[in-house]
Amino acid sequence: GQQVMQIPQYQHVQEGEDFTTYCNSSTTLSNIQWYKQRPGGHPVFLIQLVKSGEVKKQKRLTFQFGEAKKNSSLHITATQTTDVGTYFCAERYSSASKIIFGSGTRLSIRP
Amino acid sequence: GAGVSQSPSNKVTEKGKDVELRCDPISGHTALYWYRQSLGQGLEFLIYFQGNSAPDKSGLPSDRFSAERTGGSVSTLTIQRTQQEDSAVYLCASSPQDNEQYFGPGTRLTVT
Repeated sequence: GQQVMQIPQYQHVQEGEDFTTYCNSSTTLSNIQWYKQRPGGHPVFLIQLVKSGEVKKQKRLTFQFGEAKKNSSLHITATQTTDVGTYFCAERYSSASKIIFGSGTRLSIRP
Repeated sequence: GAGVSQSPSNKVTEKGKDVELRCDPISGHTALYWYRQSLGQGLEFLIYFQGNSAPDKSGLPSDRFSAERTGGSVSTLTIQRTQQEDSAVYLCASSPQDNEQYFGPGTRLTVT
């Protein structure tokens, strides 16, 4: 069946260090979305990637979609304490299918 | 504009009682999802409504769980004969044409 693998499960970094989380699918994806959930909050949409090999940037965040549309990554450069939270990928396998969330990567930061 | 709202924000109930959780999506959004999130865990998909199509109920954990969406707008998630393992935050999300999801604040359900 459809599986959404997201790694790592946890990441604890020193403020200023970089951070990357990865999502891998066993099936070619139609598109992939990324969400951030702050502690005690609800998930908030960050971005959607649709095209093979697509790269999008939002300030210190860089999102990539693999050439085969089976994997994606979120990279944060020079983390800040405001980056704390859990980052989820959400995958769609076809335009008619529901979105499936990954297990999330929890980012904590040492000031 | 108004976002997704959910009510109640908190619900404490006794084991065996039924509960109803409500979700008011953003007006005009055709897709609506229900998720369950236990403390420190990921999002567990429950049910998905898209327009007038039959809902995808594949995530409902047991027949004690049901949901409906009236008039393509408000949705109600019902849990019958609640159990302690049902305790979690229940999140609703709506989406315009099934693109990005906008989440509500959630209902924290505690079964004692």
